[in-house]
Amino acid sequence: NAGVTQTPKFQVLKTGQSMTLQCAQDMNHNSMYWYRQDPGMGLRLIYYSASEGTTDKGEVPNGYNVSRLNKREFSLRLESAAPSQTSVYFCASSEGLRSNQPQHFGDGTRLSIL
Amino acid sequence: GENVEQHPSTLSVQEGDSAVIKCTYSDSASNYFPWYKQELGKRPQLIIDIRSNVGEKKDQRIAVTLNKTAKHFSLHITETQPEDSAVYFCAASTGANSKLTFGKGITLSVRP
Repeated sequence: NAGVTQTPKFQVLKTGQSMTLQCAQDMNHNSMYWYRQDPGMGLRLIYYSASEGTTDKGEVPNGYNVSRLNKREFSLRLESAAPSQTSVYFCASSEGLRSNQPQHFGDGTRLSIL
Repeated sequence: GENVEQHPSTLSVQEGDSAVIKCTYSDSASNYFPWYKQELGKRPQLIIDIRSNVGEKKDQRIAVTLNKTAKHFSLHITETQPEDSAVYFCAASTGANSKLTFGKGITLSVRP
């Protein structure tokens, strides 16, 4: 039981390049989330998917897109990377059917934009 | 929207002492309050949570208390150990989609 798996673990991009961060969970969870973590800023929600087929903006969605590919997978895409998007990105999932269920995090993707 | 604040931003204690980390929230509709521990370079991990129908919850050396009237909740760690050194995040949720608003985190250092 791997929980939440994120790929890649590290990535360096040049400004203007695009890339997709992958996330998959094997806990049969309905809800999935993408956060970014910057020093002194805590965890800020980028996008979330309450259930398969739905996605919604979080606190900091600009410059990102998401796709809920199926119940297991939720990807985050940077269409034209900017240095301000240098961050650690975490994916999380929760059961979702009942409210206030714990979120479980992946190991993160460390992304640097030059 | 919800705003969660943590105080202080850093805390240093002697091994064996107790540590208390406080958080305040702004949305009176919030009813779920988890605490996460994040060691350097690792993922945030849930250590304890409390729902608004409960005033206190304990799990071994860790406890969380909730004051809904004052809109604040606190994490209490007793008999601190060096392995308790980490960043601790509090969060709050109104329940909708289990969406969380996190505080900015507090760095706890336990001196041997």
